[in-house]
Amino acid sequence: SYELSQPPSVSVSPGQTASITCSGDKLGDKYACWYQLKPGQSPVLVIFQNTRRPSGIPGRFSGSNSGNTATLTISGTQAMDEADYYCQAWDSSTGVFGTGTKVTVL
Amino acid sequence: QLQLQESGPRLVKSSETLSLTCTVSGGSIISSMSYYWGWIRQPPGTGLAWIGSISYTGTTYYNPSLKSRVTISVDTSNNQFFLRLNSVTAADTALYYCARLALPALPDSNYFDYWGQGTLVTVSS
Repeated sequence: SYELSQPPSVSVSPGQTASITCSGDKLGDKYACWYQLKPGQSPVLVIFQNTRRPSGIPGRFSGSNSGNTATLTISGTQAMDEADYYCQAWDSSTGVFGTGTKVTVL
Repeated sequence: QLQLQESGPRLVKSSETLSLTCTVSGGSIISSMSYYWGWIRQPPGTGLAWIGSISYTGTTYYNPSLKSRVTISVDTSNNQFFLRLNSVTAADTALYYCARLALPALPDSNYFDYWGQGTLVTVSS
């Protein structure tokens, strides 16, 4: 079955850039999206179709996807961005989530 | 604003059936074939896992790892869809989410754009 791997954790200082990777076989041939999860809240879609931001998502969130790696970048990270982030893609009509990355804003 | 709300028993006994309802408000399940409706779960301390999705006409797709135990159905008259998971074990203890799945024109570029808050279901022995 298809698998997506993410680093368990990423630490970033306020105002700096956080990059979260998502690795999978030929992931660049698929479309990746990203979700933000905070405790007690509904998950939020932050990037879809590799690079697109839903309305209401700040411009500091951006995405890319090439080769075997999709990347979520948070520029000018704020304390409110501290959360778990999951990538997701589709393989043979099956939804696959990444292993998740905890972003800590120090 | 579309809202989804999960409901159902929070405690299920091992070997029995887990049943959850997702009620959609602020919009109709019969909006178009551009949307499916799905279930996702997150066991404690681990990551998200897709369970399956359904169209308002009843077409379903299931995670192969759960397919033998899962049934997802829809009631358009009440704007609800449902999850049934048979023969549960402790491994099925999880936070269960329902969500709307957007199906853009680009193949396999689907994404979950609206989510419920999730409901924790515990399987007890």
